[in-house]
Amino acid sequence: DVKVTQSSRYLVKRTGEKVFLECVQDMDHENMFWYRQDPGLGLRLIYFSYDVKMKEKGDIPEGYSVSREKKERFSLILESASTNQTSMYLCASSVEKGFWETQYFGPGTRLLVL
Amino acid sequence: GESVGLHLPTLSVQEGDNSIINCAYSNSASDYFIWYKQESGKGPQFIIDIRSNMDKRQGQRVTVLLNKTVKHLSLQIAATQPGDSAVYFCAEANTGGFKTIFGAGTRLFVKA
Repeated sequence: DVKVTQSSRYLVKRTGEKVFLECVQDMDHENMFWYRQDPGLGLRLIYFSYDVKMKEKGDIPEGYSVSREKKERFSLILESASTNQTSMYLCASSVEKGFWETQYFGPGTRLLVL
Repeated sequence: GESVGLHLPTLSVQEGDNSIINCAYSNSASDYFIWYKQESGKGPQFIIDIRSNMDKRQGQRVTVLLNKTVKHLSLQIAATQPGDSAVYFCAEANTGGFKTIFGAGTRLFVKA
């Protein structure tokens, strides 16, 4: 089975802090994604990566950056956390170079910014 | 703009009954559709998918129906069980493009 793990289930940070969210997948998938999930809004794509050291902006990249130094690991960085970044963050991966392949999700990190 | 929406935000069914969760999509170019299940405290889990060259696809206790004429997608769960209680959301994608659009979700409650 595909396994996508996220480093933290819950995080509490203060406004202005730099926040790192880590995601690891163990199935040698090409694509990795970061989403945020907010009530009533569905999943919104922040960034994705289709290869090591490659990254592409999604729909809401402002205030975020990403890093993919190794194929299995995709990190989301909040350079200076703000209260409007309080959300559930979900990482996903998929096999082929295309969004239309089924994505496998991690358990999520619930971030609270005070 | 593009959107994937759900007609009912919550659905309550009796254990053993069949459940039907509906989804409308607006992008007629979408040709791949997925249903996900998200249990409390967990990430979304793939249930079933369907491509636009099909009208119906069956899995174990689940069936997805696609009506391209009215841009409507539904998920049917047979003999609903307490373990089916979760948020279900649909997603659409275009195999020629690079975007998956997710709906907001429907919460399914199963009453014992």
